[in-house]
Amino acid sequence: DAGVIQSPRHEVTEMGQEVTLRCKPISGHNSLFWYRQTMMRGLELLIYFNNNVPIDDSGMPEDRFSAKMPNASFSTLKIQPSEPRDSAVYFCASRGTLSGNTIYFGEGSWLTVV
Amino acid sequence: GESVGLHLPTLSVQEGDNSIINCAYSNSASDYFIWYKQESGKGPQFIIDIRSNMDKRQGQRVTVLLNKTVKHLSLQIAATQPGDSAVYFCAEPWNSGGSNYKLTFGKGTLLTVNP
Repeated sequence: DAGVIQSPRHEVTEMGQEVTLRCKPISGHNSLFWYRQTMMRGLELLIYFNNNVPIDDSGMPEDRFSAKMPNASFSTLKIQPSEPRDSAVYFCASRGTLSGNTIYFGEGSWLTVV
Repeated sequence: GESVGLHLPTLSVQEGDNSIINCAYSNSASDYFIWYKQESGKGPQFIIDIRSNMDKRQGQRVTVLLNKTVKHLSLQIAATQPGDSAVYFCAEPWNSGGSNYKLTFGKGTLLTVNP
C-alpha cells in the first residue's frame, strides 16, 4: 500500500517567494497533520484536519502560513512570502479510524529559503 | 557564532548490547503512548504503542515500559544492531474533543550503535 506521499521532496527558494508543499494522505485516512521539524524546535504540529475540516491551527506560526484540504486525498501547505527562518523539514502525516491512534508520516519536504 | 539547538539526549551503545531510551510525559490523562523511530533523511516511523492500562508491552526485539506514577516511559531494544541507529521519539495524544486528537512529540533521543 502507498504511504503518505509528499512533494516536492526538496526545494530551494529565494526569500519572498511563495512555497507550496503538497500531500496525499493514505487512502481511507480521515485525519491529516502538518508538522515542521527543525534543530531548534524539534517536531512541531502546525495544523491538523479531520474529515477535510481544519480542527486546530494553533501551531501555524503566522499569517504567512496557510493550509487547505480541498478533498480527502489532497492537502497543501503554503508559505507566502517565505523567509529564511522557514527553512525546515515539513512532514505530512495521516491517520484513519482503522489505524487506531497511530499517525503515519510521509518522507518530508526539505525546504531551504535563501 | 555558536548555534543553539535542542541538544538531543544521546545514547551510544555497542552492537549486540541492549539499549534503554527514556521519556517523560506531561499529560496524566493520556491513555495511549507511541514510540517512533526516525532514521536520517526519513520521516518518523511507528515502532510500538502501549495503552495506559498496561505497564509493559513487547514487540520484536523491543519492549516498552510505562510507569504512570512518575509519568515515565522507556523503550528497550534488545541486541541493538547498526540499523537501529536513529532518533527515537515518544508521543502522546492530546484530545481536542470527540474523536479529534493530535500527537505531541518529545524532543527525541539519538541512538548511535557502534559496530
